Amino acid sequence: QVQLVESGGGLVKPGGSLRLSCAASGFTFSDYYMSWIRQAPGKGLEWVSYISSSGSTIYYADSVKGRFTISRDNAKNSLYLQMNSLRAEDTAVYYCARLSSNLDYWGQGTLVTVSS
Amino acid sequence: QSALTQPASVSGSPGQSITISCTGTSSDVGGYNYVSWYQQHPGKAPKLMIYEVSNRPSGVSNRFSGSKSGNTASLTISGLQAEDEADYYCSSYTSSSTLAVFGGGTKLTVL
Repeated sequence: QVQLVESGGGLVKPGGSLRLSCAASGFTFSDYYMSWIRQAPGKGLEWVSYISSSGSTIYYADSVKGRFTISRDNAKNSLYLQMNSLRAEDTAVYYCARLSSNLDYWGQGTLVTVSS
Repeated sequence: QSALTQPASVSGSPGQSITISCTGTSSDVGGYNYVSWYQQHPGKAPKLMIYEVSNRPSGVSNRFSGSKSGNTASLTISGLQAEDEADYYCSSYTSSSTLAVFGGGTKLTVL
């Protein structure tokens, strides 16, 4: 069965960095676009980034452009999100999700808290 | 401000039917049959309930149905049950570089 497991979240000071990982299993990872979506406490869902199956096409939301970098390692069935220059408003649960014509599988999420 | 507009809340009694709307533009909802709906219980990850406007993934109850007219998509839940109480989000493919956009979410309360 399809499984997506995020890790790497935690408490970080403003201006700091974190690297999130998403381990995928149960499907051919290299066949799918993947995405990161976040949800601030008590708020709705927000697209953060997506990456094509080969890694050649990448999108970032304006709110994270220039600070976050998405990447993938198809040999390791893993998706990553490098987050630099973190701000208080980046505090959220970050989900990785498989992207086809929809977001058909989601991980359980990892909480990122940016606070001094 | 979300790209797609949903009502903030809807409510219904057990056994009733409710409909949640999701309004966009001709660049997203109205232009493509790639509208999906997600259910999210508190503290849980979103779950895909409807994809490509009206298709249900395996395992999703047939009490959930989707439709679209013009720039507005709708999610209908019939025979409301207590377990349906959750937040619901719509999403649509969009012709912009963002690829897809979300609605702001609708809190469903089962009275």
